[in-house]
Amino acid sequence: QQPVQSPQAVILREGEDAVINCSSSKALYSVHWYRQKHGEAPVFLMILLKGGEQKGHEKISASFNEKKQQSSLYLTASQLSYSGTYFCGTDKYNNDMRFGAGTRLTVKP
Amino acid sequence: GAVVSQHPSWVICKSGTSVKIECRSLDFQATTMFWYRQFPKQSLMLMATSNEGSKATYEQGVEKDKFLINHASLTLSTLTVTSAHPEDSSFYICSATPLGGEQYFGPGTRLTVT
Repeated sequence: QQPVQSPQAVILREGEDAVINCSSSKALYSVHWYRQKHGEAPVFLMILLKGGEQKGHEKISASFNEKKQQSSLYLTASQLSYSGTYFCGTDKYNNDMRFGAGTRLTVKP
Repeated sequence: GAVVSQHPSWVICKSGTSVKIECRSLDFQATTMFWYRQFPKQSLMLMATSNEGSKATYEQGVEKDKFLINHASLTLSTLTVTSAHPEDSSFYICSATPLGGEQYFGPGTRLTVT
């Protein structure tokens, strides 16, 4: 089953914050986050393996709530380069990735 | 960082012909490679899992006789779209996983069937 992402799309001004959520109906082994620019392959952002784990990448961070079977991606002080579609990928057994439908993020000047 | 390449980047073919797409891990060995398809404005959809030296595992709804996958070595997997039709036009992406659980994606292949 595909994880469910929300929101579907969000528009921000430079410097604003955003949260993208990813939830699954099944217990998860890991959660992966990717960003895809139009016409390009997705780029790996981070992987969260343990419940309660939090990671950061520049001003982008994520958390993984294993019990709630959900993960959130936090973008703070957004930059124009953050624009793109963000996908979460969830993995039950470390070999069967399923991606959410994506969240389209647009950052405007 | 780990690099995955795909060839070709773009391909246009006539309906009924076959197209082969290569996926290579350039600086690491990948016992498992994944093939995805992405239609415009849609999510990545896993087509199949390719394991070196064994038959690929196809997702439900993906025709194994139409999408032939060969994982001949630890650095190369190929996807052949046989008897391509316009509805097969899509963005095909492969990914490979070295130790550590991270997936590295190839740059993708845009297939247009006319």
